[in-house]
Amino acid sequence: GQQLNQSPQSMFIQEGEDVSMNCTSSSIFNTWLWYKQEPGEGPVLLIALYKAGELTSNGRLTAQFGITRKDSFLNISASIPSDVGIYFCAGWTNIIQGAQKLVFGQGTRLTINP
Amino acid sequence: DAGVIQSPRHEVTEMGQEVTLRCKPISGHNSLFWYRQTMMRGLELLIYFNNNVPIDDSGMPEDRFSAKMPNASFSTLKIQPSEPRDSAVYFCASSFVLAGALGGSYEQYFGPGTRLTVT
Repeated sequence: GQQLNQSPQSMFIQEGEDVSMNCTSSSIFNTWLWYKQEPGEGPVLLIALYKAGELTSNGRLTAQFGITRKDSFLNISASIPSDVGIYFCAGWTNIIQGAQKLVFGQGTRLTINP
Repeated sequence: DAGVIQSPRHEVTEMGQEVTLRCKPISGHNSLFWYRQTMMRGLELLIYFNNNVPIDDSGMPEDRFSAKMPNASFSTLKIQPSEPRDSAVYFCASSFVLAGALGGSYEQYFGPGTRLTVT
């Protein structure tokens, strides 16, 4: 089936540093979503991307939908302690005619040293 | 909006017992998804309903798992009998998706999850 390869799997950074993570696939996706999950909570939607080449920001977060529609990246600028968590990319894919499902990457665990 | 509501938040049960997890999707959403999350396997899609009809249940592990969506505002995931390997966090999520990629928001929202422990 379709898979998303997310990297890196984990990151250990200093507070204030910028962060970059990405997802790639051998398949084309029509929509990309980025989520953040904190311990004991469900994933929270951060950014949705709908068009190839689209660059979207949400505060210190910026995400781009790759021009080939097979990849996406998420950047976090000037990281702060509350950015700690697991970040997931996800893409919508067709499963049967007229139906779609969301495929998730493996997640990037972000740890920040104050 | 109250968001996706799940109950219970925590469930501890003994092997062999029946477990029922409940979900109320966001009002107006027509698609509901049940996921399971473990450290080993990450987020796995179990079953997907569109307009209350199961569309894809290929992720349901085995016959011990069943899911229903009797109306647009309620769904259950049942495990009978439960086993220790079923221990995980189970998430419900909802979105508004139109068939044939005709539109919809495609923004999927998750509930807080039910942490299931089977001893």
